Amino acid sequence: AQSVAQPEDQVNVAEGNPLTVKCTYSVSGNPYLFWYVQYPNRGLQFLLKYITGDNLVKGSYGFEAEFNKSQTSFHLKKPSALVSDSALYFCAVRVTYSGAGSYQLTFGKGTKLSVIP
Amino acid sequence: DAGVIQSPRHEVTEMGQEVTLRCKPISGHNSLFWYRQTMMRGLELLIYFNNNVPIDDSGMPEDRFSAKMPNASFSTLKIQPSEPRDSAVYFCASSPLAAGSTDTQYFGPGTRLTVL
Repeated sequence: AQSVAQPEDQVNVAEGNPLTVKCTYSVSGNPYLFWYVQYPNRGLQFLLKYITGDNLVKGSYGFEAEFNKSQTSFHLKKPSALVSDSALYFCAVRVTYSGAGSYQLTFGKGTKLSVIP
Repeated sequence: DAGVIQSPRHEVTEMGQEVTLRCKPISGHNSLFWYRQTMMRGLELLIYFNNNVPIDDSGMPEDRFSAKMPNASFSTLKIQPSEPRDSAVYFCASSPLAAGSTDTQYFGPGTRLTVL
């Protein structure tokens, strides 16, 4: 069964410093990987995704993520954190398979990012 | 586009009452998902539909929960009877399903349910 793990419940980083939110996955096939962000009292918003190709994926709000197949990781990164980046971040994985018209995403438990002014 | 629309945004009810949550997906999207979010269990997929047909309802916790999608623009999640442990935020999400689509899901704002 597919699964994702976000090993850190919370990440604290000073404003202006680089940030990393970690994600590892387990699938029995080629993964589609996603990052979503949730601000307080809001639904999840799509940030970026990895399907194939370049291992470094760029997304919204200056975020990027690096796919590492050998380490089965898909860590979210940003070179310079903003206070407004403080939110809950979710990693998700979808298994690709042919001929099917349906699928689901498996989400991690989320990592709370706090950017300190 | 207005995005995924959910109603009500907040619902407070008493144990034993019936609760109906509503969702309008983004026009043209073929797939619809219902999730539940709690502090203890995180984000859980309850059920999803593809072209109005339920595909996987294995995440529905009990027979008290039921979901319908009578047409492409409307879905409901019903809890009858409700219990305090059903208190959570319920999200609806929709996704286009086309050949080669990478199936990004778009979430609604959620319904915060409190069962007293």
